[in-house]
Amino acid sequence: DGGITQSPKYLFRKEGQNVTLSCEQNLNHDAMYWYRQDPGQGLRLIYYSQIVNDFQKGDIAEGYSVSREKKESFPLTVTSAQKNPTAFYLCASSFADGIYEQYFGPGTRLTVT
Amino acid sequence: AQKITQTQPGMFVQEKEAVTLDCTYDTSDPSYGLFWYKQPSSGEMIFLIYQGSYDQQNATEGRYSLNFQKARKSANLVISASQLGDSAMYFCAMREGGADGLTFGKGTHLIIQP
Repeated sequence: DGGITQSPKYLFRKEGQNVTLSCEQNLNHDAMYWYRQDPGQGLRLIYYSQIVNDFQKGDIAEGYSVSREKKESFPLTVTSAQKNPTAFYLCASSFADGIYEQYFGPGTRLTVT
Repeated sequence: AQKITQTQPGMFVQEKEAVTLDCTYDTSDPSYGLFWYKQPSSGEMIFLIYQGSYDQQNATEGRYSLNFQKARKSANLVISASQLGDSAMYFCAMREGGADGLTFGKGTHLIIQP
């Protein structure tokens, strides 16, 4: 079955620690995205990548980092510099070079105390 | 200014009735796409329907249709014959031709009552 996997579903960390959220897709999509969702809000774009070894900052990239070493994988690191890291994180993928729907993973709920 | 506005924070609808969820958007880009997503309480975002700015016909997908009024910059989602399983958050989103990610509205919480 084709789809996007994110792990883990729930993640708990202490303040000051970096944490990496995984995202894998087997849809053969070139483009991948990370969004953040806060309670009662829509999604906001953190980072995106249209091709392997290239990625761009979205609207709220500060305190986050990414890598894209493989087409299938786009991990997100939430660093200690992120002031309010507790949120729901969603990964998505789509075809590139046009306006296409994005397909989302199940999300990771990160709690930092 | 908000690029996507959803003015209904919450809606209660009787089962089997049709429901319209409002969405207005703001862009000066002639090329854009409009999307609706459903988010159940489990959290995943489920793609429902897409409308391109150059599409002449309103998009339809099963019980979902998109009432696209370009001059009014409106892209309302219509769900016909609502079901209990339609209870969820619904988000309108836009991708402009020059952008890469989606811009989302704040969502409408739809509750279908038996």
